[in-house]
Amino acid sequence: GIQVEQSPPDLILQEGANSTLRCNFSDSVNNLQWFHQNPWGQLINLFYIPSGTKQNGRLSATTVATERYSLLYISSSQTTDSGVYFCAPGRNNNDMRFGAGTRLTVKP
Amino acid sequence: DVKVTQSSRYLVKRTGEKVFLECVQDMDHENMFWYRQDPGLGLRLIYFSYDVKMKEKGDIPEGYSVSREKKERFSLILESASTNQTSMYLCASSSIDRENQPQHFGDGTRLSIL
Repeated sequence: GIQVEQSPPDLILQEGANSTLRCNFSDSVNNLQWFHQNPWGQLINLFYIPSGTKQNGRLSATTVATERYSLLYISSSQTTDSGVYFCAPGRNNNDMRFGAGTRLTVKP
Repeated sequence: DVKVTQSSRYLVKRTGEKVFLECVQDMDHENMFWYRQDPGLGLRLIYFSYDVKMKEKGDIPEGYSVSREKKERFSLILESASTNQTSMYLCASSSIDRENQPQHFGDGTRLSIL
């Protein structure tokens, strides 16, 4: 199956700072999703982005499928951004593989 | 909004018991999934189903079975619970629509096997 590496594993930011989270994957994909898991354990889909760039408010994501990586940008971070961010690439929606996640802590 | 509902938020069972985890989705999604989440390992797929009565093994199916008798409901069964099945279990669903296929997750069931 696809191997997924996320970096950094942990990230601590001051409120208002920007950050970039990276996801490398080992094989070609037709499906890549980014998720945020809040401190209560709820997983929220942020982006469905097998290629290209998308933006949603302070968050944006870019996937370069030919080079097998995806980036999640968080601008002007807020304490509510804290949690774990997962990327999940896959050949299709039925074989997504989750990375180990990046744990983000935003301090006030 | 898509709603995926898992029957229990917390569950405590004993070794050897047969355990049922239930998941219901309200968006007529074809695909449903069961994952377990353990610290440092991310989410690992146990089973998924792409239609009623259809199922496919994921990466870690051993010790588990599933049932999908109705489109909206997907059950995970621990035939004889063991302590190494203590974990967070997450159910998800998705449409097979080609244009947009995000997975939508329930709130999770934290299962402890004593």
